[in-house]
Amino acid sequence: GAGVSQSPRYKVAKRGQDVALRCDPISGHVSLFWYQQALGQGPEFLTYFQNEAQLDKSGLPSDRFFAERPEGSVSTLKIQRTQQEDSAVYLCASSSSDRGLEQPQHFGDGTRLSIL
Amino acid sequence: AQTVTQSQPEMSVQEAETVTLSCTYDTSESNYYLFWYKQPPSRQMILVIRQEAYKQQNATENRFSVNFQKAAKSFSLKISDSQLGDTAMYFCAFMRGSSGTYKYIFGTGTRLKVLA
Repeated sequence: GAGVSQSPRYKVAKRGQDVALRCDPISGHVSLFWYQQALGQGPEFLTYFQNEAQLDKSGLPSDRFFAERPEGSVSTLKIQRTQQEDSAVYLCASSSSDRGLEQPQHFGDGTRLSIL
Repeated sequence: AQTVTQSQPEMSVQEAETVTLSCTYDTSESNYYLFWYKQPPSRQMILVIRQEAYKQQNATENRFSVNFQKAAKSFSLKISDSQLGDTAMYFCAFMRGSSGTYKYIFGTGTRLKVLA
């Protein structure tokens, strides 16, 4: 497809379980961002990749959150030992420009994560 | 730290009328960018308009225009000739233009409903 693809669209997990969220950016996009959007809030930055390098992970809320992009295309956001406060929509965005400024960031539909 | 404030949680407008969404921000940066994003119920964020802080001229994109008041740190969005398809959440976003990750800092959003 032409856009950013995220899977699964919905994920329900029990507290304490590990989850993995996938992002397929637009082909050729070097920059990839993850954002967390809590209910009724705007998205908040989690982490940024330039190709396979994770250049900024300052937004990750705890060491339970881990992201990777090993081949510079698909990215996975992993959350270990999930807690109820992790419930949110996780958005992925990609851009063709370095660091996502000159060209706009294109967003996926997000993964809605619910922790029971 | 930068902050973005949207003080109108919800707004409504009659079809074909004009509506203005408010946004204020706080930053000590001199080089930055401001954006309005639209998030329809399907959740995919779409860029509406972008403004470079160093440009005095207000950005326009068809029916969408901004009123950028740099000294007041205000960045409002005007939608003219509102259409039913404009119904969505609208997020104001800030991005610093200096070194570092070009990540968005979003406001909490304004839910706009266009009435037939």
